[in-house]
Amino acid sequence: DVKVTQSSRYLVKRTGEKVFLECVQDMDHENMFWYRQDPGLGLRLIYFSYDVKMKEKGDIPEGYSVSREKKERFSLILESASTNQTSMYLCASSSGQEPYTQYFGPGTRLTVL
Amino acid sequence: GEDVEQSLFLSVREGDSSVINCTYTDSSSTYLYWYKQEPGAGLQLLTYIFSNMDMKQDQRLTVLLNKKDKHLSLRIADTQTGDSAIYFCAEPNAGNMLTFGGGTRLMVKP
Repeated sequence: DVKVTQSSRYLVKRTGEKVFLECVQDMDHENMFWYRQDPGLGLRLIYFSYDVKMKEKGDIPEGYSVSREKKERFSLILESASTNQTSMYLCASSSGQEPYTQYFGPGTRLTVL
Repeated sequence: GEDVEQSLFLSVREGDSSVINCTYTDSSSTYLYWYKQEPGAGLQLLTYIFSNMDMKQDQRLTVLLNKKDKHLSLRIADTQTGDSAIYFCAEPNAGNMLTFGGGTRLMVKP
């Protein structure tokens, strides 16, 4: 079974702090994704990556950056956390081949005070 | 519309059937997916259907696909309290990404 892990289930940070969210997958998947989930807004794609050192902006990249130095690891970085970044963050991976299924981690609930 | 659409909420009694509906956007979508999210957890893939199928059954789950109307449904037979969750439908878009609906919260009353 595919396993996607995220470094923290719950995180509390202060406004202005730099925040790192880590995601690791163990299935040698090419593609990795970061979403945020907010009530009433569903899942929104922040960034994705098709390969090591590659990154592409999703629908809401502002205020975020990412890093993919190794195939199995995809990090989401909040350079200067703000209260409107309080959310549930979900990481996913996929092989990039049919049926294009994405496999999700358990999520990190981030609160920015 | 441009969005994958789902109703927000569904309430059923334990033992009844649940039907969750979804309208998707791209008639050429090759696969359509149903994910389940339990409280405080990530999304888990429930099932997917290939676009050349009209129906797929997997134990208590039945997926129906109406390509003409771009309508997808998920039927859960004999709904249990453990089925209480948010259910998302999704379709692929350019670059092998997925577009998700807003999710339907299923509440199962004992």
